[in-house]
Amino acid sequence: AQTVTQSQPEMSVQEAETVTLSCTYDTSESDYYLFWYKQPPSRQMILVIRQEAYKQQNATENRFSVNFQKAAKSFSLKISDSQLGDAAMYFCAYRGPMDSNYQLIWGAGTKLIIKP
Amino acid sequence: NAGVMQNPRHLVRRRGQEARLRCSPMKGHSHVYWYRQLPEEGLKFMVYLQKENIIDESGMPKERFSAEFPKEGPSILRIQQVVRGDSAAYFCASSPWRSNTEAFFGQGTRLTVV
Repeated sequence: AQTVTQSQPEMSVQEAETVTLSCTYDTSESDYYLFWYKQPPSRQMILVIRQEAYKQQNATENRFSVNFQKAAKSFSLKISDSQLGDAAMYFCAYRGPMDSNYQLIWGAGTKLIIKP
Repeated sequence: NAGVMQNPRHLVRRRGQEARLRCSPMKGHSHVYWYRQLPEEGLKFMVYLQKENIIDESGMPKERFSAEFPKEGPSILRIQQVVRGDSAAYFCASSPWRSNTEAFFGQGTRLTVV
């Protein structure tokens, strides 16, 4: 069974600095999808970034980028120039191959604190 | 195009009562997924529905929980005879088709059983 592990329950970073959130996963599939979601206090689950496993290039979205290491089954999120609005819970999630395992498998989350 | 709408946002029930959680998917989306989030944990899959069909309910407790997605109207997650352990945030997500790799989430319903 697929699993997703986030080993950092909480991280803090100074505003404008860079922070990296860790995520590892376990799967026997070769084709899958990985996601980072942000959950602010409003509880809305917001997609931050996604990565297709067949793509070697790391996904980037403005200040957010990932370091996808397929062999190591690692998928970390880097937030550059941290802003106060980035404070939230961050969840790493895995989805199996298209048209098969549609469920999202979630990590336990990392609480990100931004220090002004 | 409104996002996924869940209501109520907060629901308080006494032990033994019934809880009904509603989810209106995004316009044009016919696939709905329900997840449960316990405190300090990630989301756990419960059930996947298409219009009038339950596709996968492998994550749903066998007793007291049921879900439906009628031809008309919202998807309903129903919990009968609630117990304290049912207290959680329940999220609904929708997608336009099964193979879509992105699901759009509602704001969740926080159920508190007292």
